[in-house]
Amino acid sequence: NAGVMQNPRHLVRRRGQEARLRCSPVKGHSHVYWYRQLPEEGLKFMVYLQKENIIDESGMPKERFSAEFPKEGPSILRIQQVVRGDSAAYFCASSPRQDSTDTQYFGPGTRLTVL
Amino acid sequence: DQQVKQNSPSLSVQEGRISILNCDYTNSMFDYFLWYKKYPAEGPTFLISISSIKDKNEDGRFTVFLNKSAKHLSLHIVPSQPGDSAVYFCAASSTNAGKSTFGDGTTLTVKP
Repeated sequence: NAGVMQNPRHLVRRRGQEARLRCSPVKGHSHVYWYRQLPEEGLKFMVYLQKENIIDESGMPKERFSAEFPKEGPSILRIQQVVRGDSAAYFCASSPRQDSTDTQYFGPGTRLTVL
Repeated sequence: DQQVKQNSPSLSVQEGRISILNCDYTNSMFDYFLWYKKYPAEGPTFLISISSIKDKNEDGRFTVFLNKSAKHLSLHIVPSQPGDSAVYFCAASSTNAGKSTFGDGTTLTVKP
């Protein structure tokens, strides 16, 4: 009974490179959320996806960031032309439904370091 | 504009005593509140939740209290144990919104 899987756990990129973060939700969960945690801060919502649909991307920066959750395979958070300010822990969470009473189950996170 | 605030960055208590972690929110549309516990290098783990139709929810050593008029909730841990030492995040959401809004966390240290 696997929980939310994220890989890689650690990712180092140089400025200007691309970062791809992957998230496999709990089996049977069709709702995925991405959050970002900067040092000494809480988790900030980025994007909420269902299979093949972006439901809410109000927390996503307008440029360089994109997310997808294809019909098959993991959800991907993609950051193009990374800058040092993108260094953070990125957490993915999944839930079976949109209902606010559903607990979101979090993955272990991907720690992105931009040199 | 931070909609969920945890004003105490840290809290230290003695083993066996009560830990009280506080959280305030500003958005009156929030109707579901959660507490998560987080260890270093791990993702947050769900601890306990409360719906806005209740004012108290209890689960073992953990109790969450909600004061809607004050837009305030608190997490009580009693008795506190050294293994409770972690960062505790308060989160809030509104029906069908999906996403949760998190506070910045309170680091709890329980001393043996």
